[in-house]
This record gives sequence, C-alpha cells and structure tokens, in this order.
Amino acid sequence: LAKTTQPISMDSYEGQEVNITCSHNNIATNDYITWYQQFPSQGPRFIIQGYKTKVTNEVASLFIPADRKSSTLSLPRVSLSDTAVYYCLVGDVLQDDKIIFGKGTRLHILP
Amino acid sequence: DAGITQSPRHKVTETGTPVTLRCHQTENHRYMYWYRQDPGHGLRLIHYSYGVKDTDKGEVSDGYSVSRSKTEDFLLTLESATSSQTSVYFCAISEYDTQYFGPGTRLTVL
Repeated sequence: LAKTTQPISMDSYEGQEVNITCSHNNIATNDYITWYQQFPSQGPRFIIQGYKTKVTNEVASLFIPADRKSSTLSLPRVSLSDTAVYYCLVGDVLQDDKIIFGKGTRLHILP
Repeated sequence: DAGITQSPRHKVTETGTPVTLRCHQTENHRYMYWYRQDPGHGLRLIHYSYGVKDTDKGEVSDGYSVSRSKTEDFLLTLESATSSQTSVYFCAISEYDTQYFGPGTRLTVL
C-alpha cells in the first residue's frame, strides 16, 4: 500500500474552490486513488476514485498528473456543509485486502 | 446508504469487562472491517475479514479479537477492556472497490 501525505488542515471561504493535494510518491502501477469525506460523528463516505488524468462527478473532481505521484481533490464552490475531514487513499482495489486510512485533511469552511 | 448497522451505538463499561460490538450488513459484501478512531490518529484498522471464518489483523489488533460465522455479521470482542480502548469504532464493508461505513459505536471504558 502506497503511503500518502496530505495537509493536516485547510481553511477556505464559502463559494471558493478548494483544492486538496495528496502526495503518493511510491504509487504502484495497479494502484487507484480514492478520496473519502467524513463529517463529525459519522463514518467516512466515498467521494471519488481515479487512476489517471481527470475524473469528475456531481460532488468533486480529481486531477492526477501523468506521473501519478500526487493527486488533487477539487471541491467547486464550497459551502459550510463541506466542512469535514478528507482522506486520500492509494491502493490496488482488486488485490488489496485492507485499506489504510491516514489522518486526513481537516477542511474548515468559513462564512 | 449501504445496509450496515452497528450495535450498540453507545456503551459505557468498566476496565476488565469483556465487550462485544456487532456489525451487521444486508449487502452480502465479502469484506468487512473494524476501525477505531481517536483524536489525532484518524482511522486505524483493527481487524478485517475476507470471508466467513477468514479474518486477519490490522495495524492495531492487540487486545481485540474478531469472529465472522456468517456473511452478514462481524463481531469485535474486547476480552478485557482497558481505558486505552475508549474510542469510536466503525465497521465497514466492501466488495473490492469502495468501502461503506456504519454509523459507529462510541465505547467508553471507565
């Protein structure tokens, strides 16, 4: 399982676009990049997953450069309800028996 | 939301007491996991299961045991609870690609 590094915390304002970057220098060929979101007193929730280039869904976008050693989760026009902890995970979704969560990035959205 | 329930949702117990937490799923997913979450540590994997009677240790398995006698249930047991096991415990299920988490159990060991 590739180790990931992401900022411990970030602040932003309502209406802004927020980008959270995750480093994963030892990502393997078969590894996917997955982001989860966790609100207080709840379990994490899947946001988005990608392998390369760009992935977009109704919640976020995920940008992955060609070398795949980092990835950026982009949240468009955040609101107060986007205040949460965001986890970046890297692993082989078809082979890995377990997924290891790091400490995540605590995103605080200000009015 | 995925069909995952955890019981109990809250429990207060005393040091040295055995405690069993239950995770129940209705999704028939192969993989089930137990995590604990503490301030400053994020989520840490305790044990996981990749099938009935097939389990393995995670990164913080000391003091915990698990059992999975049927697909839908994954039990986490603290044989003799200690104050260091006060935490929020999350169960998760997956079928390879994405994990779905339960609502959590808040355990306090006095």
